[in-house]
Amino acid sequence: TQLLEQSPQFLSIQEGENLTVYCNSSSVFSSLQWYRQEPGEGPVLLVTVVTGGEVKKLKRLTFQFGDARKDSSLHITAAQPGDTGLYLCAGALNTNTGTASKLTFGTGTRLQVTL
Amino acid sequence: GAGVSQSPSNKVTEKGKDVELRCDPISGHTALYWYRQSLGQGLEFLIYFQGNSAPDKSGLPSDRFSAERTGGSVSTLTIQRTQQEDSAVYLCASSFSLDRGLGKTEAFFGQGTRLTVV
Repeated sequence: TQLLEQSPQFLSIQEGENLTVYCNSSSVFSSLQWYRQEPGEGPVLLVTVVTGGEVKKLKRLTFQFGDARKDSSLHITAAQPGDTGLYLCAGALNTNTGTASKLTFGTGTRLQVTL
Repeated sequence: GAGVSQSPSNKVTEKGKDVELRCDPISGHTALYWYRQSLGQGLEFLIYFQGNSAPDKSGLPSDRFSAERTGGSVSTLTIQRTQQEDSAVYLCASSFSLDRGLGKTEAFFGQGTRLTVV
């Protein structure tokens, strides 16, 4: 059973289009992160959200953490070819204060933006 | 170095041979993860270390796979009697451990080891 499900798995769009990627779980996370991986590289952190309902913006990217802290979304406005890559969400499970929490990665969404 | 370092970056081995992959995490990071990634796919979790112990090794595909971590730092992933299906990029990541809702568990990844079994 996959703890964090992402949708869609694959997305191919043209430059200028908008898109939304979803990350869903039945578990509550104390924080949730989004990473992007480009070919030949390891994933790199884009943003961390920690409060239910929180919205963060990073240029054309908007990240939202669900009110119940079980899900998140990533919205890209006016996608560009440079946005191409594998997008991964990752969550730290809600644990007691002071307890180490393992980071769990989602299934990934592969985005291709063409001219 | 400042980042997570993995070696070798590329490894070609013959089927049936053993291989050892190394990961040097960021200093002070107590959590360490190994993932496997096949071409065009997402991350497949292998094992998670907290210090030198591995509270979650549920992702190791078979008993040919093992990993250890010493001194709370360097980790090695060993694959015995390699098979062609073991060919993939093996990624290592490290992070701080305690989250406390502060979002402090950002994972830093190495460049990966590309393993090819021929």
